[in-house]
Amino acid sequence: DAKTTQPPSMDCAEGRAANLPCNHSTISGNEYVYWYRQIHSQGPQYIIHGLKNNETNEMASLIITEDRKSSTLILPHATLRDTAVYYCIVRSNNQAGTALIFGKGTTLSVSS
Amino acid sequence: NAGVTQTPKFQVLKTGQSMTLQCAQDMNHNSMYWYRQDPGMGLRLIYYSASEGTTDKGEVPNGYNVSRLNKREFSLRLESAAPSQTSVYFCASRGDRSAYGGQYFGPGTRLTVT
Repeated sequence: DAKTTQPPSMDCAEGRAANLPCNHSTISGNEYVYWYRQIHSQGPQYIIHGLKNNETNEMASLIITEDRKSSTLILPHATLRDTAVYYCIVRSNNQAGTALIFGKGTTLSVSS
Repeated sequence: NAGVTQTPKFQVLKTGQSMTLQCAQDMNHNSMYWYRQDPGMGLRLIYYSASEGTTDKGEVPNGYNVSRLNKREFSLRLESAAPSQTSVYFCASRGDRSAYGGQYFGPGTRLTVT
């Protein structure tokens, strides 16, 4: 898996957009960008993934730069329940025999 | 959809006891996984099943066995529990509508071996 770099922490006011950056400058052509989060004492939660086009689902949007060396996860209207550690992972398909490697992630704190 | 469910949520075992952790998913996913997560640590893959009828070892399989009972269910068995197996165990499944889909996790089983 390509190495990723994320800021250790970010703050966001409730109701505002949270923009979480991730650098993955060594990404390979067949590797996807995945975002997960883990709220304390809960199981990891898959959020979104993409290859090179921007993606949106009911939880978030993913913006990938044209050179694919970085990406941004956008939570459009952050709530207190979005407080969690967010992990950016770069991974190719069918790595079924290896664990997801989460790294240190970004701790997002949403406050009212 | 309930997603991925796990039972029990909590369990305390004595050294040498056995138990089975249950996992089920209702998303019609082919691939299922068992992970353990120790405090302050990342996930470690114990076993996985790429499809019904197949299972393979992950990174830390010693002391565990698995059964892919059908497409929905994937159980993890500890035959003789040891204190080193105290951990939080997560089951996950991956969809195959997109071959690159993300993994969906259950809420976890918190196991303590004394």
